[in-house]
Amino acid sequence: GESVGLHLPTLSVQEGDNSIINCAYSNSASDYFIWYKQESGKGPQFIIDIRSNMDKRQGQRVTVLLNKTVKHLSLQIAATQPGDSAVYFCAEEGGRRALTFGSGTRLQVQP
Amino acid sequence: NAGVTQTPKFRILKIGQSMTLQCTQDMNHNYMYWYRQDPGMGLKLIYYSVGAGITDKGEVPNGYNVSRSTTEDFPLRLELAAPSQTSVYFCASTSKLGLAGTGELFFGEGSRLTVL
Repeated sequence: GESVGLHLPTLSVQEGDNSIINCAYSNSASDYFIWYKQESGKGPQFIIDIRSNMDKRQGQRVTVLLNKTVKHLSLQIAATQPGDSAVYFCAEEGGRRALTFGSGTRLQVQP
Repeated sequence: NAGVTQTPKFRILKIGQSMTLQCTQDMNHNYMYWYRQDPGMGLKLIYYSVGAGITDKGEVPNGYNVSRSTTEDFPLRLELAAPSQTSVYFCASTSKLGLAGTGELFFGEGSRLTVL
């Protein structure tokens, strides 16, 4: 199907390496942040979230870091696998009961 | 469990035509959303609803209308289609969004619309 990420910044990593995907947000009032993964031709899927009173949260093979001072969010994927190839979006919720999504990063995993 | 179901999956419209994108969810979620995604871009919020009978505009509501008469359904209406509305449209739902709830939206598979 048609790619939704033709002009996205791309991160290319070797299988087994760690990946770090970065995101800058603009709304100082945002207090809840989420990472989503979107595979080609599918809707986004929830990966992990973090609240503003935290600076780190870990899941299975993923870690999210939050730096509110510089309004920066990152997603770390350990031991990247071919199935991790997708477009990754950060999203923020600033009290309006809806998510604002970033522009996305394409992750390509080389075998 | 079907989750969020969108129809149609693909549609080609002529300029000036109207149509409705259907979205239904079977998870008894109160919160429902419509996003559009243009190539190389993130998702832009069109409209959302926090319960039956309640709708609110998002970032890009012009050219669209919604209604929420039931908890399950949240149709998106395009009036007088324009080429700028060529996009992939995603419907999503969740129980309650935010710090008191969750950040997990459940998305449909998308509806790919082309306006020629």
